[in-house]
Amino acid sequence: GESVGLHLPTLSVQEGDNSIINCAYSNSASDYFIWYKQESGKGPQFIIDIRSNMDKRQGQRVTVLLNKTVKHLSLQIAATQPGDSAVYFCAESHTGGFKTIFGAGTRLFVKA
Amino acid sequence: NAGVTQTPKFQVLKTGQSMTLQCAQDMNHNSMYWYRQDPGMGLRLIYYSASEGTTDKGEVPNGYNVSRLNKREFSLRLESAAPSQTSVYFCASRDRARGLVEKLFFGSGTQLSVL
Repeated sequence: GESVGLHLPTLSVQEGDNSIINCAYSNSASDYFIWYKQESGKGPQFIIDIRSNMDKRQGQRVTVLLNKTVKHLSLQIAATQPGDSAVYFCAESHTGGFKTIFGAGTRLFVKA
Repeated sequence: NAGVTQTPKFQVLKTGQSMTLQCAQDMNHNSMYWYRQDPGMGLRLIYYSASEGTTDKGEVPNGYNVSRLNKREFSLRLESAAPSQTSVYFCASRDRARGLVEKLFFGSGTQLSVL
């Protein structure tokens, strides 16, 4: 069945270092992948997305990489800041579909 | 710019009680969703409404009902609350009319405890 999972539930990084959050997905038919950030007491917020016809997409301090061969997705955060401390979810969807399936999340701690 | 508004923010129920969670969005989005979030399990889809007048089951619909009251509002009802329904509930919306824009906009959540 469909599932989106994460390799590590918790990640701790030093302020200023780069962070890499990984995600595995199982549904080969998924063609749209999204990263969300959830701060304490708030709902998830969209960070960046990527379609299956792309391998890499960059935003402001964030990069998403997609490896369809091994069904792997990663989120890279450059120069991690204390404000980046949050839970990060990867999610998958289908173009034209209505359901978005979420992974369990990775909690990112940024040490000052 | 309120976005997606959920009420109430917190609720405590006794087993067997009923309640309705309210959700409204002011972005003129077509699709609306209800998710629940449990520790270590991410967000699971309960019900969704692809457009006004339609509703469909998600991954975990048992014990819930929904109503798409109009384009703005999408409510979630627990007819007879059970402790297993203790969770944080999120409403979300998405504008499918904008072609390939797929991202969800979330409310701030309702923390529900069933004793």
